[in-house]
Amino acid sequence: TQLLEQSPQFLSIQEGENLTVYCNSSSVFSSLQWYRQEPGEGPVLLVTVVTGGEVKKLKRLTFQFGDARKDSSLHITAAQPGDTGLYLCAGEMGNTPLVFGKGTRLSVIA
Amino acid sequence: DAGITQSPRHKVTETGTPVTLRCHQTENHRYMYWYRQDPGHGLRLIHYSYGVKDTDKGEVSDGYSVSRSKTEDFLLTLESATSSQTSVYFCATYPGEGEQFFGPGTRLTVL
Repeated sequence: TQLLEQSPQFLSIQEGENLTVYCNSSSVFSSLQWYRQEPGEGPVLLVTVVTGGEVKKLKRLTFQFGDARKDSSLHITAAQPGDTGLYLCAGEMGNTPLVFGKGTRLSVIA
Repeated sequence: DAGITQSPRHKVTETGTPVTLRCHQTENHRYMYWYRQDPGHGLRLIHYSYGVKDTDKGEVSDGYSVSRSKTEDFLLTLESATSSQTSVYFCATYPGEGEQFFGPGTRLTVL
């Protein structure tokens, strides 16, 4: 049973389009992190959201934590080829290791 | 950059041979993790450590063992490699709050 479900699994869009990636669970998390991974490298943290309803912006990327702290979304405005990569959400529950979703592989075509 | 190195970066081995992967960190982070990453499965936790000589199993620990004799080093051993253990292995560290830092990965092929 996957604790964190990410959707879509794959996404291929044209440069300039907007997109949203979802991370859903039936469990409550104390915080949720989003990572981006490029080919041949390890994941790198983009943002951590902690408070229910919290919205954080990182240039063209907007992250939202659900009010009940069970889900999160990542919205990219005017996607660029440099946004291409694997996006992973990870939930923190107390003192246990992070729980990772399976990831969304994004391809932005110029 | 949390100063995490993994060695080797690539390895090809044969079924039944023992393999040891090494993770080295320079940041004195307390927690260290070993993950494997496979298409369709995402990152899956193999084993983790919460201090020197303190380790615990993750969700896919069968066939793997770990050791941590020093804060900076976390070793992952495949006692007798199988083809199902062909994967990309990532080490990560965590200081206790904030983010996890990942190493560059080791690509292991078991023939």
